[in-house]
Amino acid sequence: DTEVTQTPKHLVMGMTNKKSLKCEQHMGHRAMYWYKQKAKKPPELMFVYSYEKLSINESVPSRFSPECPNSSLLNLHLHALQPEDSALYLCASSQVGRRVGTDTQYFGPGTRLTVL
Amino acid sequence: GENVEQHPSTLSVQEGDSAVIKCTYSDSASNYFPWYKQELGKRPQLIIDIRSNVGEKKDQRIAVTLNKTAKHFSLHITETQPEDSAVYFCAARREYGNKLVFGAGTILRVKS
Repeated sequence: DTEVTQTPKHLVMGMTNKKSLKCEQHMGHRAMYWYKQKAKKPPELMFVYSYEKLSINESVPSRFSPECPNSSLLNLHLHALQPEDSALYLCASSQVGRRVGTDTQYFGPGTRLTVL
Repeated sequence: GENVEQHPSTLSVQEGDSAVIKCTYSDSASNYFPWYKQELGKRPQLIIDIRSNVGEKKDQRIAVTLNKTAKHFSLHITETQPEDSAVYFCAARREYGNKLVFGAGTILRVKS
């Protein structure tokens, strides 16, 4: 199974709402990622978890709060977002690159987020 | 930090022609270079990748070349088909690192 799944597919929220995005993979990958992608732009890295520990935070505002409850799940908690946070949020996973050729990043289908 | 530049930003070709997309990178420690294809409304999908100990890699109609001295790598698609129409992103990463840095993307249109 080479699939990363994400829920929900679409999310509309107000600026005062709290919501969560979920990501799941069953490939035994120990690195998981959140990316933000605006229209016609490349994915922009937000967070990286390695062995369930946060290893990279690309200076993301605290209104985005990641969580990795176990090696298969990755959440992104959203609170007090701004309209400019509207984007496609992509999750990805990979092996932790200890062996050449094993660390391809596989992307999920994304959650299309609209902040009103 | 790493910076990846990608050209052209848009590319239109006739079906059956070849397409070439070029990327340059700045970090000499980068040695893993994947290419992703993203169709409209879909996820980015890896189509080919290359590591710095290899100068060229081919998979059917797709090939990637790497010039580590000049710090550039290119995607070559031969015998293009309408289904090749998509946005293509190059990326660079240090070996055993987790951070992929993407180029700005190339919109490829294959006209039939």
